[in-house]
Amino acid sequence: AQSVAQPEDQVNVAEGNPLTVKCTYSVSGNPYLFWYVQYPNRGLQFLLKYITGDNLVKGSYGFEAEFNKSQTSFHLKKPSALVSDSALYFCAVSETGANNLFFGTGTRLTVIP
Amino acid sequence: DAGVTQSPTHLIKTRGQHVTLRCSPISGHKSVSWYQQVLGQGPQFIFQYYEKEERGRGNFPDRFSARQFPNYSSELNVNALLLGDSALYLCASSFFLGEAYEQYFGPGTRLTVT
Repeated sequence: AQSVAQPEDQVNVAEGNPLTVKCTYSVSGNPYLFWYVQYPNRGLQFLLKYITGDNLVKGSYGFEAEFNKSQTSFHLKKPSALVSDSALYFCAVSETGANNLFFGTGTRLTVIP
Repeated sequence: DAGVTQSPTHLIKTRGQHVTLRCSPISGHKSVSWYQQVLGQGPQFIFQYYEKEERGRGNFPDRFSARQFPNYSSELNVNALLLGDSALYLCASSFFLGEAYEQYFGPGTRLTVT
């Protein structure tokens, strides 16, 4: 069975500071990991994915994520937060042979001007 | 290019009624998935279709059904609506079937059951 944990419901960060949104996962096979962002009254937008290869994955809007197999984590990061980054962030996992995404409960990021 | 489109945007139904939600994938995408997002939670997988065939089903009752058409658009049907079916229903498309392909989501249909 697959599962995703986002331990923080809410993350607050000052504009210009680095941000981290945490995610840990559990899958029975190789993990395929994704980050999505949701703005109010909008669908989910794809940010980045890890399939294989380099542990540091770069994505849209300056976001990146670090895959750590030993800690089963896939934390989302950005060196300098913008007020416009304020949104709801979802980590998701799929596993080999699966046809669906399994999402975490989401982390609300607020960037304070 | 147009993204994933869904209709209607909002819908209000009464308990016991049925509802049909529609989705058009990104041009060239052959796989369509449906997710239910209850307020305050992450999306939950309902169905995935590829080349008009069901390729995956989540833990939802038989009141939920779907189909995919030759042009790859899709419908989600829910019968005998319950209050608990109130949610944002998201459609996602991907180019191909498989765990490595990212899914692109539409804006969703917000269903309210009264």
